[in-house]
Amino acid sequence: DAKTTQPPSMDCAEGRAANLPCNHSTISGNEYVYWYRQIHSQGPQYIIHGLKNNETNEMASLIITEDRKSSTLILPHATLRDTAVYYCIVRVYGGSQGNLIFGKGTKLSVKP
Amino acid sequence: DVKVTQSSRYLVKRTGEKVFLECVQDMDHENMFWYRQDPGLGLRLIYFSYDVKMKEKGDIPEGYSVSREKKERFSLILESASTNQTSMYLCATRSQESSYNSPLHFGNGTRLTVT
Repeated sequence: DAKTTQPPSMDCAEGRAANLPCNHSTISGNEYVYWYRQIHSQGPQYIIHGLKNNETNEMASLIITEDRKSSTLILPHATLRDTAVYYCIVRVYGGSQGNLIFGKGTKLSVKP
Repeated sequence: DVKVTQSSRYLVKRTGEKVFLECVQDMDHENMFWYRQDPGLGLRLIYFSYDVKMKEKGDIPEGYSVSREKKERFSLILESASTNQTSMYLCATRSQESSYNSPLHFGNGTRLTVT
């Protein structure tokens, strides 16, 4: 299984870009990188995913390095409502179809 | 937007009680999942279902069972609740179409306390 490594916590000023890094050095060639976030007392929320090209949607951008061993989630203009735990996950194959292994994530605190 | 609804946000039950946690989705997704989330342990998969009346064990199925009689509804059953089943329970769904890379959509969770 590909594992991911994220810093346990980060701070970001409101209105600034939040850049959340993730290492996944053992990722396989056809495994996707997913990002979810979890706001306190709510279920995880899907943000974005990608394979090797950079991706952007209305919530965030995902930058994946050329060797695919790491990625960065970018929230371009962080707001207080973006305070959450952010999880970087690599799709796992195997008997549990669709199982995603959630690690401990990065707790992002957006400060005024 | 996908809507995944869990019947209760908070539930308190006594040891030995039979507990039903219900999950309903409105997007006609084939795949449905039950996770539990505990501090320091992340999310762990209990059971999942890829079709009506089909079920597969996840990583921690012991003490749980599931039921999927209709496509939109996936129930988690604790036959005899125990204190170590106190946890946050999360239901998720995913479309079978392009399931290789389809994201999971989660409900808001049920925080179960067993006393």
